[in-house]
Formats: sequence, C-alpha cells, structure tokens
Amino acid sequence: DAKTTQPPSMDCAEGRAANLPCNHSTISGNEYVYWYRQIHSQGPQYIIHGLKNNETNEMASLIITEDRKSSTLILPHATLRDTAVYYCIVKGSSYDKVIFGPGTSLSVIP
Amino acid sequence: GAGVSQSPSNKVTEKGKDVELRCDPISGHTALYWYRQRLGQGLEFLIYFQGNSAPDKSGLPSDRFSAERTGESVSTLTIQRTQQEDSAVYLCASSFSGNSPLHFGNGTRLTVT
Repeated sequence: DAKTTQPPSMDCAEGRAANLPCNHSTISGNEYVYWYRQIHSQGPQYIIHGLKNNETNEMASLIITEDRKSSTLILPHATLRDTAVYYCIVKGSSYDKVIFGPGTSLSVIP
Repeated sequence: GAGVSQSPSNKVTEKGKDVELRCDPISGHTALYWYRQRLGQGLEFLIYFQGNSAPDKSGLPSDRFSAERTGESVSTLTIQRTQQEDSAVYLCASSFSGNSPLHFGNGTRLTVT
C-alpha cells in the first residue's frame, strides 16, 4: 500500500500558486519524499524530492514540515500545461519497490 | 541523453495470444520497474529488478505474467494467454541508485480484443 495520502482533486486559477498537500505520517528517518506528475497519455515525470530541508528547482518548491509527517508541493505560477495528476511517494535510500497512490488530479483553470 | 524507451508503443492482440513488451532503460541505471495503468486508474506495481538480485515479483497479478531482465539492460514483460482485462498501458521506469528518481518511458498501450 502507498504510504502517502493526497486529496483526490484540486483546482487552481491560471497564474496563481498551486499548493498540493501530502500526508506521510509514518515516514521513516531515511525515507525521502518524491513528487511526480503525469500528464494525460504520458509516463510520469519526476518533479522534485527532499529529505528534511525545503527544496526548490526550476519546476517547483517542496516544503517539508519539521516533523516530516507532511509536505507541500508548490507550483509558483500555475499554467494550463500544469494540469496533471500529481503523485507524492516516500522511498528510502535502499533499493526497494516504489508504490504509487492515486495522486491528486490538478486542474488549472483559465 | 536517451531516456527510457519502450516498444511497441501500441499493441493490439486477440484474446488468448501471448505478447512481449520491451523496455530499454537508461544506460547505467541498475533498477528497473514495471507498472500497469488501466484506463482512468493509478499506477499498479508489477515487478522490480535491482542489479543481479532476485526480482521483487510481488505485484504480478497472475502466473500468466512474467518478466526478465538481462543484467542491467533490456527487460521484457511477457503476458501469456492474454485476457481483455489485461488491456492497459504498461509503463517501465529505471533509476540510477536507491535514492535516485525514477525515469519513466511513455509506455506500451495494450489492447486485447
């Protein structure tokens, strides 16, 4: 079973920040939080990951709470092309299978 | 550089036939994953290969499904005696190391008629 819970769907106005939450209350000390997204008819695309510090790259920012039990993916200026299903997963540094939950379907509205 | 390549991109087969799906991972990636995604559904884990270790087959839905990987290169997923419920997109992903992100191919869309 997936170790994360996410809201099934969210809307965001174009140009506004999209804040996608993820709960991972059972995360272990060596497990990272990863975010992927899947645009219709394509394979999932890696966005960002982090262990305990906040992270930022050209696509998004990742905010992880101090207790690491939840995180938020932030798309600072959502565009219509950001409409996709967003998956949050946790994974340790050791080699192991990766289980995806149902994710959050984000709709960016003009 | 080249990403994960899957072939064929589309496959239509008759019920009862066997099919082979191919995945070429990114060079140097030691881990390889197969997932199934039915229409409108999430990613369903099938099997995971890591180097020369025994694969994790815990997600294979029945004994009609099998997969092989030669070393750290190409993998094939075989479905024997296909059924209509096998219709789905089959996705392959690879990663460089334990805490590296997964890189996905664009999948093989299998339709069983």
